[in-house]
Amino acid sequence: GENVEQHPSTLSVQEGDSAVIKCTYSDSASNYFPWYKQELGKRPQLIIDIRSNVGEKKDQRIAVTLNKTAKHFSLHITETQPEDSAVYFCAASSGGGADGLTFGKGTHLIIQP
Amino acid sequence: SAVISQKPSRDICQRGTSLTIQCQVDSQVTMMFWYRQQPGQSLTLIATANQGSEATYESGFVIDKFPISRPNLTFSTLTVSNMSPEDSSIYLCSVDWLAGNEQFFGPGTRLTVL
Repeated sequence: GENVEQHPSTLSVQEGDSAVIKCTYSDSASNYFPWYKQELGKRPQLIIDIRSNVGEKKDQRIAVTLNKTAKHFSLHITETQPEDSAVYFCAASSGGGADGLTFGKGTHLIIQP
Repeated sequence: SAVISQKPSRDICQRGTSLTIQCQVDSQVTMMFWYRQQPGQSLTLIATANQGSEATYESGFVIDKFPISRPNLTFSTLTVSNMSPEDSSIYLCSVDWLAGNEQFFGPGTRLTVL
């Protein structure tokens, strides 16, 4: 089955700086890669996703890149703000709408004021 | 977007008992899934709740321990049977109503087993 590795487990950045979280996956059949943000005591919230026919996707301060050959994808957050502090999870799915998600272990992002 | 609710939001149960968790969506959805999130950990897929047929379980999860029902396109239940303290987790349902992989999560059920 699919295996998703996520690094780093904890990331501390100064407010205003950029943050990058990286994930690798094992199953070449995976074609859908979402990122979730989870604040303490809350449900995971989908913040951005990318499909295997796209190399990069942006939404305001966040972007995701995908390298299918290397089987890795990354989340980039620019101009970080205190409200970006949370746990971020990457995930992968082989798609078709019938598959669940395999999650990475998560990255605790801390924004230092 | 659809509203997803879960009941109960939390419960404290005794070892050896069972708890049924409900997931309700306010519009019809194609796919529903159940996940477990152990304290401080990531999410693990338990099973896909199939409407009108038996659920599809992931490796390490079995129907006798986690029976699932999905009687229609807006509702599903997950039962945690014969509970032990190791079952203490947050249980989350998710829905993919576009059949396009975008999954949205319910608020979760926090289960503590004593």
